[in-house]
This record gives sequence, C-alpha cells and structure tokens, in this order.
Amino acid sequence: ETGVTQSPTHLIKTRGQQVTLRCSSQSGHNTVSWYQQALGQGPQFIFQYYREEENGRGNFPPRFSGLQFPNYSSELNVNALELDDSALYLCASRSRAAQETQYFGPGTRLLVL
Amino acid sequence: RKEVEQDPGPFNVPEGATVAFNCTYSNSASQSFFWYRQDCRKEPKLLMSVYSSGNEDGRFTAQLNRASQYISLLIRDSKLSDSATYLCALVIKAAGNKLTFGGGTRVLVKP
Repeated sequence: ETGVTQSPTHLIKTRGQQVTLRCSSQSGHNTVSWYQQALGQGPQFIFQYYREEENGRGNFPPRFSGLQFPNYSSELNVNALELDDSALYLCASRSRAAQETQYFGPGTRLLVL
Repeated sequence: RKEVEQDPGPFNVPEGATVAFNCTYSNSASQSFFWYRQDCRKEPKLLMSVYSSGNEDGRFTAQLNRASQYISLLIRDSKLSDSATYLCALVIKAAGNKLTFGGGTRVLVKP
C-alpha cells in the first residue's frame, strides 16, 4: 500500500453537476498531483499542488480546479460535468526529497450520465 | 504525434516465455523514465525506474536508448500474475516533474 487514500471510490453524477474528489497524501509527502485516466488510455496530468499552491497544470479547462490544505491533503473539483469527464481520477503524492517517485492512490471512478 | 507511444497489445504470452515491448518518446528533453504496472480497475504501481545503463529487478529488465528515444521492458519466465497493463512514463524536469504516460501495453500470460 502506498499510504495515499482517495474518496469516494465510486461516484455517479449527471451532466452539468459539480463534483469534489478528495485525496490524502502519504505521510511526509508535500506535493500532490491529479491525473485523469479515461478507459483504455494512460493517465493524463491535470495539475499539481505544492505548499497549497498550484504549480503546474495540464491541458484541462478551468472548470477543473483544486485545493491543497496545510496537512497536504487535496481536493479536485470539477464543475459543469460533461459525459467525457467519466474516468478514473488518480491522485499521486511525492516527497520533496524524491521528486520523481510518485505514489498513486486507488483512484475515484466517476461516471457522468 | 503523441509524446509517449506504446503498442496497446495485447501480447499473448505462454507461461514461462519471455516478452519484451517498447515505448517511444518524442521529447529529447525527457530526463527520467519509469515503468508502471496497472491491474484492471486499479491504480498504477511503480514497477521500476529506468536508468541509462539499463537495470534489472528479478525477472524484469529495463533499457533506455536515448539515441533512438525509446525505453524497453523485458519480462523473463512470465508468470500468470504478470498479466497486466504496463505503462511507461517519463518526466521532463523543466515541465515541473509531472509524469507523462503512454497509453499502456496489455500483457496476457496464459497457461
């Protein structure tokens, strides 16, 4: 186990709704990244947070937003859900000392109807 | 052209056989390389980092060819439990240490 937890495990929403996904990083890990993995594809980088600031973003629209809290846990918020947002959302954490080694949580599987 | 490309497979492998597959990348500034294993409906798990000199971890061997811009993974003496999707990933430090993944190669080991 990586020590990275995510909630909820599964979620069903309808188009236009908003969703918040949560991630608790491994102890001592201060950087959290979020990825979207559509069925049959590799994970795509959404954004990452370090010291409660977003410090990198992939090719995702502004309706994808996030937060990082002082305890390094993080939230991913998606507004105005679209059918194509259906995917596995993965959170990964890493420590400052080992910047390149990321540990993934089990993911949240989101289905948008 | 995609930044990272993999043959999606599936590679159907008899138990005990050797299988190898590659992952090509387009950005020559890529600095770090990894192989992740992903089981069905689970999260990716780090299998191994890939070093310039090549590295081995038990039955798994990873190689990096910077000149031709690809990495490879070889699995010897395949086990049924090796059935999974293998994702390659790379990091470009100037891009903030984000992981860029390929689409994955599916491996099915059969008795």
